Amino acid sequence: EVQLRESGGGLVQPGGSLRLSCVGSGFTFSSHWMYWVRQAPGEGLVWVSHIDTDGSTTKYADSVKGRFTISRDNDKNTVYLQMNSLRPDDTAVYYCARGARGFDPWGQGTLVTVSS
Amino acid sequence: DIQMSQSPSSLSASVGDRVTITCRASQSISNYLNWYQQRPGKPPKLLIYAASSLQSGVPSRFGGSGSGTDFTLTVNSLQPEDFATYYCQQSYGPPFTFGPGTKVDIK
Repeated sequence: EVQLRESGGGLVQPGGSLRLSCVGSGFTFSSHWMYWVRQAPGEGLVWVSHIDTDGSTTKYADSVKGRFTISRDNDKNTVYLQMNSLRPDDTAVYYCARGARGFDPWGQGTLVTVSS
Repeated sequence: DIQMSQSPSSLSASVGDRVTITCRASQSISNYLNWYQQRPGKPPKLLIYAASSLQSGVPSRFGGSGSGTDFTLTVNSLQPEDFATYYCQQSYGPPFTFGPGTKVDIK
């Protein structure tokens, strides 16, 4: 079964940092682009970042550019999202998703709360 | 950036109804359009990719159509598990924007 599992969320103060991880299983991780998407409480879906198969190409939403860094370790079947200079409006559930024909599947998500 | 809009923002329907949701892109995206279903407290689930291709395992009562800027998701014979929020998404180029969502609830 193809699965993704995120971890690393939690409560952090404004200006703080967190690193999210997403471990894939049941598929050839190194063959797929990987994506991070977030959803603020009660709001819609927002693409945050993506990374190609070998990590040579990355893209970011303007709202996180310069603060977030996506990376991957294909030996560990893991994609990361390093989040620095966090702001209250970064509060959201963060999902990782596999790039295929569309984003599929998605992990269960990890909640990041930025608050003092 | 490509902007995505959806209509309606919400609708009420009954089990067995046919439901149609529309999605519009601010510029042509060919058929680079995906549809997702999200139930409360759950991650999104891919239903349709490339505007009209049914994702494996998705019931055939779901269908997609359109190209260019105008797209449609149709659900034939709505089932209890179909009450959810539906999002379109363009995969033409980053940022891979989503529509604001259409909430389908029980009449």
